[in-house]
Amino acid sequence: DTGVSQDPRHKITKRGQNVTFRCDPISEHNRLYWYRQTLGQGPEFLTYFQNEAQLEKSRLLSDRFSAERPKGSFSTLEIQRTEQGDSAMYLCASSSSSGPTGELFFGEGSRLTVL
Amino acid sequence: AQTVTQSQPEMSVQEAETVTLSCTYDTSESNYYLFWYKQPPSRQMILVIRQEAYKQQNATENRFSVNFQKAAKSFSLKISDSQLGDTAMYFCAFIPAGAGSYQLTFGKGTKLSVIP
Repeated sequence: DTGVSQDPRHKITKRGQNVTFRCDPISEHNRLYWYRQTLGQGPEFLTYFQNEAQLEKSRLLSDRFSAERPKGSFSTLEIQRTEQGDSAMYLCASSSSSGPTGELFFGEGSRLTVL
Repeated sequence: AQTVTQSQPEMSVQEAETVTLSCTYDTSESNYYLFWYKQPPSRQMILVIRQEAYKQQNATENRFSVNFQKAAKSFSLKISDSQLGDTAMYFCAFIPAGAGSYQLTFGKGTKLSVIP
């Protein structure tokens, strides 16, 4: 399967710890997105990469959050000093700049639980 | 800023019947795209159908069709001949057209259950 893959699928951590999520997009996709989804809500945009450049960041992305996409391939999302409010599903998606606008391919998500 | 509202948190439909999910949105943009995404339990979200605002014709994809009312800012999804595999969360989403628009805005979703 060559879809978007995310790792780990589940992460339980204690408040104050750092966590890192990894996303491997579809190989030919140059655009990569991170969204956050909390219970009962739709996904909320966090950040967007075109190739290795981070072009857009949401105000939801506080200074405890950092995302990278070295070499324009996989991406990581790190959360430092986690808080209970960070508990959510973190979704990664990718798309091609030559594809239809808004057609994103999502991974299954990484569920974070902060105790 | 755009907002997307889905007023039906949960719905159910008998297998083989037809169901309509509602979505309204608010924007000052004149050109944009609207989407319905499906998120099955414990599986990834997938695109169901896409509508370009400048096209008056409603989009259809097999059993899925939309009723796009631009003046009313309404974008409903009709699922015909419902199947058990249609059980999922359905999210309405919006994105402005034009360069520099990368952010999809989603509604809160409607949980659809198809009953055998």
